[in-house]
Amino acid sequence: DSGVTQTPKHLITATGQRVTLRCSPRSGDLSVYWYQQSLDQGLQFLIQYYNGEERAKGNILERFSAQQFPDLHSELNLSSLELGDSALYFCASSPGLAASYEQYFGPGTRLTVT
Amino acid sequence: SQKIEQNSEALNIQEGKTATLTCNYTNYSPAYLQWYRQDPGRGPVFLLLIRENEKEKRKERLKVTFDTTLKQSLFHITASQPADSATYLCAPKGSGGSYIPTFGRGTSLIVHP
Repeated sequence: DSGVTQTPKHLITATGQRVTLRCSPRSGDLSVYWYQQSLDQGLQFLIQYYNGEERAKGNILERFSAQQFPDLHSELNLSSLELGDSALYFCASSPGLAASYEQYFGPGTRLTVT
Repeated sequence: SQKIEQNSEALNIQEGKTATLTCNYTNYSPAYLQWYRQDPGRGPVFLLLIRENEKEKRKERLKVTFDTTLKQSLFHITASQPADSATYLCAPKGSGGSYIPTFGRGTSLIVHP
């Protein structure tokens, strides 16, 4: 158990809908990362937050947004969903910003868009 | 642009043998390189970190090498067991407080009893 929790575990929704994925980082970790993993793409970095502020952005679509709250939990919002958004979404946390820190991954949310 | 290459073909080996996985990177100079293990449908789990000034790092049956001249890291599992079957991801990382986390697509290891 990494100490990172994600809800829900599974989500099935229709195209055009909007969903929110939630992540609670490991106790004491200030940095949260979001990743998308689909079968043909590997682990793709979406966005990073550190202590409530956005720190780095990857290939995140404009339809996607995220935030980190004062209690350090984070939410990833996906809107106008398309079939291609079906994937596993992982949240990870680390103590701070140093590149040497390992990332602790949550169990993921499996999103299926029908 | 930065590129990380891991062998996309699965590596099949017999139990007890040493598995060697390769990670090559281009167009950047990472200060660290991490290796993670990922089981199907689960989040990656950190295994080892090696720094640019370290040639080799060991942890139990795991050994990682880092050749900054060749821009390559090798990941070895000695005395492999069927339980080692998983996908192994490498993640070269820059220094400093702001970077884009990038993972290789991973190599699947299958250890046959």
